[in-house]
Amino acid sequence: KAGVTQTPRYLIKTRGQQVTLSCSPISGHRSVSWYQQTPGQGLQFLFEYFSETQRNKGNFPGRFSGRQFSNSRSEMNVSTLELGDSALYLCASRLQGSNTEAFFGQGTRLTVV
Amino acid sequence: TQLLEQSPQFLSIQEGENLTVYCNSSSVFSSLQWYRQEPGEGPVLLVTVVTGGEVKKLKRLTFQFGDARKDSSLHITAAQPGDTGLYLCAGAGGTANAGGTSYGKLTFGQGTILTVHP
Repeated sequence: KAGVTQTPRYLIKTRGQQVTLSCSPISGHRSVSWYQQTPGQGLQFLFEYFSETQRNKGNFPGRFSGRQFSNSRSEMNVSTLELGDSALYLCASRLQGSNTEAFFGQGTRLTVV
Repeated sequence: TQLLEQSPQFLSIQEGENLTVYCNSSSVFSSLQWYRQEPGEGPVLLVTVVTGGEVKKLKRLTFQFGDARKDSSLHITAAQPGDTGLYLCAGAGGTANAGGTSYGKLTFGQGTILTVHP
């Protein structure tokens, strides 16, 4: 059974640009959550999507957005990139409902220069 | 706001020693998960504890969930160099909002960086 797949693995962008990251969950999993991991702040929740609807959102500015497609794949977008957006962005896949076990992808390392 | 305090932040020990990592909160969680993460990789799920007082064992690792479901511990017996990594606890709880109840938000502790020297 394939795990959570995130693409790309590495990305270098310039300040002011925008970026789109992709996540394919485990087959059959319908919930996808996104997290930002930095050395200073640790892992912080960005948002969760389930059945193509955003179900929960963390405390991040509106520059961070996401969406989920009918096949449960998800994308997150960051517009007007800032240096502080440099981080490992992780996607987590869950089965559905109240099952809370989350399985993470390898992440996308974003560097903003 | 739910917070998880994880301690210690750093742990450097010799092979064969025992260790315990603690995860504490003032909030109640519906479940708590422990992950291990290696540099440049995503966290790998080790265990999920759901019931207050629950104890789970995974080879040399023992996980415990507090009776009140606010705290947890991870105990490693006879640590080995292969245990080296970042250990993270994460609490899950239902969040009621306009879209229903969301269970997808995990609140993470700051992590414990464990180094086991041969």
